[in-house]
Amino acid sequence: DIQLTQSPSFLSASVGDRVTITCRASQGISRYVAWYQQRPGKAPQLLIYAASTLQSGVPSRFSGSGAGTEFTLTISSLQPEDFASYYCQYLWTFGQGTKVEVK
Amino acid sequence: QVHLVQSGAEMRKPGASVKVSCKASGYTFTRYAIHWVRQAPGQTLEWMGWINPDNGNTKFSQKFQDRVTITRDTSASTTYMELGSLRSEDTAVYYCARDRSITARFLLYFFDYWGLGTLVTVSS
Repeated sequence: DIQLTQSPSFLSASVGDRVTITCRASQGISRYVAWYQQRPGKAPQLLIYAASTLQSGVPSRFSGSGAGTEFTLTISSLQPEDFASYYCQYLWTFGQGTKVEVK
Repeated sequence: QVHLVQSGAEMRKPGASVKVSCKASGYTFTRYAIHWVRQAPGQTLEWMGWINPDNGNTKFSQKFQDRVTITRDTSASTTYMELGSLRSEDTAVYYCARDRSITARFLLYFFDYWGLGTLVTVSS
């Protein structure tokens, strides 16, 4: 089975910062990668699918890129509501998550 | 507006089973596959399986395939996930989620709508 490794696991940042989260696959995969945001006590929310397509209703400060074994989620200017956990996904496999905390 | 409404929290003893429901509204129920995903406390998300509500076909993670059943009631637009032989490690929030594909015959594994989750606690 393909493994997904996210880095970093924890990230301290301030409002307005540019934030990048990486997801590495154990072998080359297609662009069937999605990114989710999960706020504490809430269900995950789809942000990006097919590696770089923004889900309807998601702010444009979120973007995704990548192919092969390396994918990234970027938040161009961190907002207060963006302090949350983020997960990458390929088919039935999820990364271990990245928690974005207040610096 | 799409909604997935799940049943309430459950508490079970080890060895028992639990059945969680997920009622869909706001779209054609039979057109979109429903997945079940769980999250143990402080852990990542874990995919369990999916069902095609149109024909009832299912697929499960190897980890759960011996003790999970996913069914649907098309008249009630509801999907059910039953997990048996519960153990303490099954304590988790269980989510249903809709596949983004507009046909349940070809899945994308992009989950565009989620239920709020159902906490299942397994304790003696």
